[in-house]
Amino acid sequence: QSALTQPASVSGSPGQSITISCTGTSSDVGGYNYVSWYQQHPGKVPKLMIYEVSNRPSGVSNRFSGSKSGNTASLTISGLQSEDEADYYCSSYTRRSTLVFGTGTKVTVL
Amino acid sequence: EVQLVESGGGLVQPGGSLRLSCAASGFTFSDYWINWVRQAPGKGPEWVANIKQDGSEKYYVESVKGRFTISRDNAKDSLYLQMNSLRAEDTAEYYCARGLTTDYASFDYWGQGTLVTVSA
Repeated sequence: QSALTQPASVSGSPGQSITISCTGTSSDVGGYNYVSWYQQHPGKVPKLMIYEVSNRPSGVSNRFSGSKSGNTASLTISGLQSEDEADYYCSSYTRRSTLVFGTGTKVTVL
Repeated sequence: EVQLVESGGGLVQPGGSLRLSCAASGFTFSDYWINWVRQAPGKGPEWVANIKQDGSEKYYVESVKGRFTISRDNAKDSLYLQMNSLRAEDTAEYYCARGLTTDYASFDYWGQGTLVTVSA
């Protein structure tokens, strides 16, 4: 199972919106609505930001939103803030009943 | 307060074995799928294995099949990972992570991790 493909880096200015893509196949992202997104600050454990493609856990800012089209899922961060600077990882359920993470995207707030 | 506390990591030679443990508290352990996720230094997370609430289903990433075994003891609120035939590429921080009740493929709580180093 290959890792899902994410851009290595995305940047934006405070207040702007950015979108991170996560590309898989019909055997994972495209086949199930079980795509999640995690935020990881340096030295910290990953934090769940989005589950089931577009659902936010309690306590996660509504500036974070998720979507999916075909084999590609996306995470959008609106109103970018300095504390959003972190690594972001997508993950998906697969047809083998396993899970796979993405390659990760470093978000930089300019 | 939900807590997951891993233990059992350390330095081991290639070909050796280790048994990791994860002690859970603050929730009804037997109601949840639980996972092991690892993260090599400077790399992204890699899902390793998971186990159903009653232990009847277990799944593994291909690279550890036949070498690692996940298990749980609901009476002790504990999760385990028996790791045999360890390789250098197994070096990583190992986390236990709880699946959501509605979507066990998403992890809402993670432990702080235990470091496994495989080196001669």
